[in-house]
Amino acid sequence: QSVLTQPPSVSGAPGQRVTISCTGSSSNIGAAYDVHWYQQLPGTAPRLLIYGDDNRPSGVPDRFSGSKSGTSASLAITGLQAEDEAHYYCQSFDSSLSGPVFGGGTKLTVL
Amino acid sequence: QVQLVESGGGLVRPGGSLRLSCVASGFSFSDFYMTWIRQAPGKGLEWVSYISSADGSKYYAESVKGRFTISRDNSKDSLHLQMDSLRVEDTAIYYCAKEGSTICSGGSCHPENFDSWGQGTLVTVSS
Repeated sequence: QSVLTQPPSVSGAPGQRVTISCTGSSSNIGAAYDVHWYQQLPGTAPRLLIYGDDNRPSGVPDRFSGSKSGTSASLAITGLQAEDEAHYYCQSFDSSLSGPVFGGGTKLTVL
Repeated sequence: QVQLVESGGGLVRPGGSLRLSCVASGFSFSDFYMTWIRQAPGKGLEWVSYISSADGSKYYAESVKGRFTISRDNSKDSLHLQMDSLRVEDTAIYYCAKEGSTICSGGSCHPENFDSWGQGTLVTVSS
């Protein structure tokens, strides 16, 4: 059972917009700790996609965006492309556990 | 560019030991927290352990505390994870990751996120 809760799967057609939610609690997201998102393409290591709630590292397309409100955060992907098919993980810091925590991951399928 | 290369994985019996290594290049290794993160087959990501850049403070997930030991050699830009008393549930790909930024809370500091990852090394614990 992951500390952060994500839907197991989402799907969308090419060109569409999808969102992936990440729900935490008062000891992590709700305590105003930043949320970060990682993309894991099949057979590869995760890569940082969004950091500090809504910032993109260089090289990440602006089709990817992040937001946060209360104890939840969301990753939005617009203009869905076939190469976006991957697992996506949210991550934050938890003051009760004194360490980083991850969501269980969401598999994005591009129809 | 940043490169992290893990090694040392393999097949080991329950109760056995393994030592993982990660060699870093492309950045000033001694300036950054370094972390081990694992992923069991078909599962999500789990933080295992991290070590600070400055004073070598070490932190462990409850699931590995007392069995795993993290260390670093800044003179060789390398990170290690000594894994003892291995269990079947330790089977996973182990990634070495560099911190992207640091967060300080309750008088101690921690890696806030992970901006570079190695390719991972597979550890299989099975009889």
